[in-house]
Formats: sequence, structure tokens, C-alpha cells
Amino acid sequence: DGGITQSPKYLFRKEGQNVTLSCEQNLNHDAMYWYRQDPGQGLRLIYYSQIVNDFQKGDIAEGYSVSREKKESFPLTVTSAQKNPTAFYLCASGTGQPQHFGDGTRLSIL
Amino acid sequence: SQQGEEDPQALSIQEGENATMNCSYKTSINNLQWYRQNSGRGLVHLILIRSNEREKHSGRLRVTLDTSKKSSSLLITASRAADTASYFCATDEGGGFKTIFGAGTRLFVKA
Repeated sequence: DGGITQSPKYLFRKEGQNVTLSCEQNLNHDAMYWYRQDPGQGLRLIYYSQIVNDFQKGDIAEGYSVSREKKESFPLTVTSAQKNPTAFYLCASGTGQPQHFGDGTRLSIL
Repeated sequence: SQQGEEDPQALSIQEGENATMNCSYKTSINNLQWYRQNSGRGLVHLILIRSNEREKHSGRLRVTLDTSKKSSSLLITASRAADTASYFCATDEGGGFKTIFGAGTRLFVKA
């Protein structure tokens, strides 16, 4: 089935540690996105990529990094510089609108 | 930046009743979308309405768009307990790749 797969579903980060969230899509979409969702809030854009080997910062990119080496994959690294990483992270892909979403990764601090 | 603002923030109704959610936005758009999110899951696209359309239907969903007032509404008719979820409106930024989401309306349908 075509779709977006995010892993892991739950992730715990220790102080000073970098963690990487995986996002893979088989929808053949050019554009991919990472969003952060805090409890009771909407989605805030972290990074997006319109094409392989190119990506742009969103509204809250500080403390995060991404890569786009393959069309299918857009991993997000939450670095130790992100002091408040506890949130629900959603990956999406699309060609314009609408976007198609994965089922998210919930990141917590140990 | 937050483009869409939903109203109300939360809505509780009985099964069988209609649910209406409203969304306002700030800048010009090419289209407006509504998404649904079940607890702990990703967003699912429900319906997209283009700026030159005024109303669109999909099953029990009816969406209206008033570009002069920069507002949209989502009506769910004959609500079911399974409709319990958060509903988000989202807009493009004049046709770009970015999508701006509102904070959502939390709908609770009591059986």
C-alpha cells in the first residue's frame, strides 16, 4: 500500500543526545515536510524539501537538522540544541496540496 | 506563522446532531483544506476547496468558503461517535508548497 511510514512510534531522548526520526514515503511525491505538534495545538513547520538534495527552514528550525539524499526519505535529527524537544512529530509528503501524513513519532525526554 | 484560526476550540454534541466548525485566515489563498486527526495519529485529508468555489460536498461533509470574509466552515451532518476527533483547516500561501495549519477544533460526539 502507498503511504508514509514514520519510525519509531515512541522515542526517548537523554540529556545532550541527538536523536533521529525516520520518515519514508512510497507515494513518489517530490515534496516532504516535518511538523511539530504540541498538546492541543496546531502544526508548526520545522523543515521542508521540494526536491532531493535541497531543503528549507520552516518556522521553528532551530535545534533541528534534516537531509534529503533520496526522494523516498527525509529523516529529522533533533539535536541537543533543542532544549524543549518533547512533542509529537509528523512527517508529510505531497505535490502541492493536500498533504499526506504519517502516524507520527512521540518524543519525550528521559 | 498561523494562518487559519478555528472556532470553536472545542465542541461537544450528541450523536445524530450536526457539527459546525469555522475557520478564518489572513492572506489570499489558492485553496483551503480540512483535515481530521484522531488522537495520537496523523492527519487525514478530508476535503479541498479552491478559491473560486463557494461550496463543496463529500458524503456527510459540507464545506463553504467566503473569500471576501476570509473564512470557511465545515459542517458534519448526522454526527456519529466515530466522528470524535480534532479538525484542522489549512491554507496554502498563495500557491506555494507550504501549508499553514490552524490550532484545530476538538469535536466530541456522545453516543
